Amino acid sequence: DAGVIQSPRHEVTEMGQEVTLRCKPISGHDYLFWYRQTMMRGLELLIYFNNNVPIDDSGMPEDRFSAKMPNASFSTLKIQPSEPRDSAVYFCASSLLGQGHQPQHFGDGTRLSIL
Amino acid sequence: GQQVMQIPQYQHVQEGEDFTTYCNSSTTLSNIQWYKQRPGGHPVFLIQLVKSGEVKKQKRLTFQFGEAKKNSSLHITATQTTDVGTYFCAGPVSGGSNYKLTFGKGTLLTVNP
Repeated sequence: DAGVIQSPRHEVTEMGQEVTLRCKPISGHDYLFWYRQTMMRGLELLIYFNNNVPIDDSGMPEDRFSAKMPNASFSTLKIQPSEPRDSAVYFCASSLLGQGHQPQHFGDGTRLSIL
Repeated sequence: GQQVMQIPQYQHVQEGEDFTTYCNSSTTLSNIQWYKQRPGGHPVFLIQLVKSGEVKKQKRLTFQFGEAKKNSSLHITATQTTDVGTYFCAGPVSGGSNYKLTFGKGTLLTVNP
């Protein structure tokens, strides 16, 4: 079975540019999560969706960050304009709805470098 | 806000030695999950503990959930080079049906062959 698929795997761009990260969750999963991982701050939840609806975006750092989930099989995380401090690994994860908290399945991540 | 603390931050062992990482929450957890992230990889779910005092084993890995459900540990017996990676614990943010997890900063395990 295909896992969570993220693209691109690596992105290097100059500050001020728009960056779009993409995610395809596991088919049938109800929840989709976007995380950012840095050495300093660890793994931080940015936003999560349930059935394509954003539930909690309190982790989104600034208005420069936005996320959408137009359908059950696709989500994007956009940074505009990008800044060097946005450099990090961005993970998408998905999970099933169920009693209690279900395991989260992570994609391979996008390694983002803003110059 | 709710915090999940892990110690130690780093641990280097000789192959064959045991390893333990500890996780402590500032609040009572309904459950706790453990993940492993290999260098350059992504977090991979290992296990979930739900009951107070629960102990689960996966081969050489032993997971425990404290009686008060505020702490947990992962113990690896006789480490191997394949155990290298960062081990994270994660607990649900308290309140309602929130599906958010708070991750600890992780313990990076390196194993000298």
